[in-house]
Amino acid sequence: DGGITQSPKYLFRKEGQNVTLSCEQNLNHDAMYWYRQDPGQGLRLIYYSQIVNDFQKGDIAEGYSVSREKKESFPLTVTSAQKNPTAFYLCASSIVQGAGGYGYTFGSGTRLTVV
Amino acid sequence: GQQLNQSPQSMFIQEGEDVSMNCTSSSIFNTWLWYKQDPGEGPVLLIALYKAGELTSNGRLTAQFGITRKDSFLNISASIPSDVGIYFCAGQLRGGAQKLVFGQGTRLTINP
Repeated sequence: DGGITQSPKYLFRKEGQNVTLSCEQNLNHDAMYWYRQDPGQGLRLIYYSQIVNDFQKGDIAEGYSVSREKKESFPLTVTSAQKNPTAFYLCASSIVQGAGGYGYTFGSGTRLTVV
Repeated sequence: GQQLNQSPQSMFIQEGEDVSMNCTSSSIFNTWLWYKQDPGEGPVLLIALYKAGELTSNGRLTAQFGITRKDSFLNISASIPSDVGIYFCAGQLRGGAQKLVFGQGTRLTINP
């Protein structure tokens, strides 16, 4: 079955360390997205990518970096420059950006905690 | 970024009650989508709406695409405990291939 896989489910990081969250999809989707969700909050867009080797900043890109070397993969690095990284991170994909409103398929999320 | 106004922010109801929530915007949308997020999981698509005035059902869920194309509502009838979660509306703005815009979510809590 096709889907989108995020790993790990839970991640603990010490202050000052970079950490990379994995996102892999086998849906043959062109576009991929990273969102951040804080308790009681909605979804805030960090980065998105429409095609391989291309990505754009979302609304809250500061302190984050991404790469899109393969269509299937869109890893997110939370750098030490991110002041408040503890949050629930969601990866999503779509056929193309917006996809005529076919919607996004989401992964099951990674909960990052800074200790 | 662009925002959708989703209300209410939270609902506390008794099992068996009906639920209604909505999203509004000052912008025109081509598509409205409703997602549900279970605790600790990613959102899952419930209903997609593509035409103004469209009314679509999925089991006990019914959603409508507002005639002005600036709003949408979701109704849940005869709520059950597994309906607990956060419901998000999302819309695709008119004009080309646009990213989805998400509402802030409605957190539904059900007392058995």
